[in-house]
Amino acid sequence: KQEVTQIPAALSVPEGENLVLNCSFTDSAIYNLQWFRQDPGKGLTSLLLIQSSQREQTSGRLNASLDKSSGRSTLYIAASQPGDSATYLCAVTRLSGTYKYIFGTGTRLKVLA
Amino acid sequence: NAGVTQTPKFRVLKTGQSMTLLCAQDMNHEYMYWYRQDPGMGLRLIHYSVGEGTTAKGEVPDGYNVSRLKKQNFLLGLESAAPSQTSVYFCASSLRLYEQYFGPGTRLTVT
Repeated sequence: KQEVTQIPAALSVPEGENLVLNCSFTDSAIYNLQWFRQDPGKGLTSLLLIQSSQREQTSGRLNASLDKSSGRSTLYIAASQPGDSATYLCAVTRLSGTYKYIFGTGTRLKVLA
Repeated sequence: NAGVTQTPKFRVLKTGQSMTLLCAQDMNHEYMYWYRQDPGMGLRLIHYSVGEGTTAKGEVPDGYNVSRLKKQNFLLGLESAAPSQTSVYFCASSLRLYEQYFGPGTRLTVT
């Protein structure tokens, strides 16, 4: 059974710092991995999608990498800003046999001004 | 292009009452999902659909029913609400197993 873990559960950093959020999964037979952002009281906003054949994706100050063999993905945020404060979740889909996304429980990020 | 919309945004029910949550998407997505989000539990899949007229159970389907009569709509029903169903409900859609898009959520309280 696929399990997705995000450590740490919470993180506080000063503004301007570069930071890395981690996502680990137990079954490497994934189809794709998606990173989301969730602001308090809001829905999830898609940040980046990495397909299983890709190693990384970039969007602005965000860069997500994928290492299927080690069961890990990282989300790198450059030059963090207070507006980046939110909960970040990752989700994976399996290569076959299911149409479901399995979510991690998220990392709550606070960027201090 | 509204994306994924959910109705209503908030609702308070008494135990035993019924209600239907409506999800609509205008992206012509085949797959649609209903999740609930509870503190400390993360997102849990209730039911999902891979096409018009088809539905399937997720992790926590008990106490809920769904229907997908039209491709753009996915309904979640609670026949007899219980306090344990107090939660935030999210609908999502995707073009097969690609990028998943979420609605803004429905905050439901059952007293």
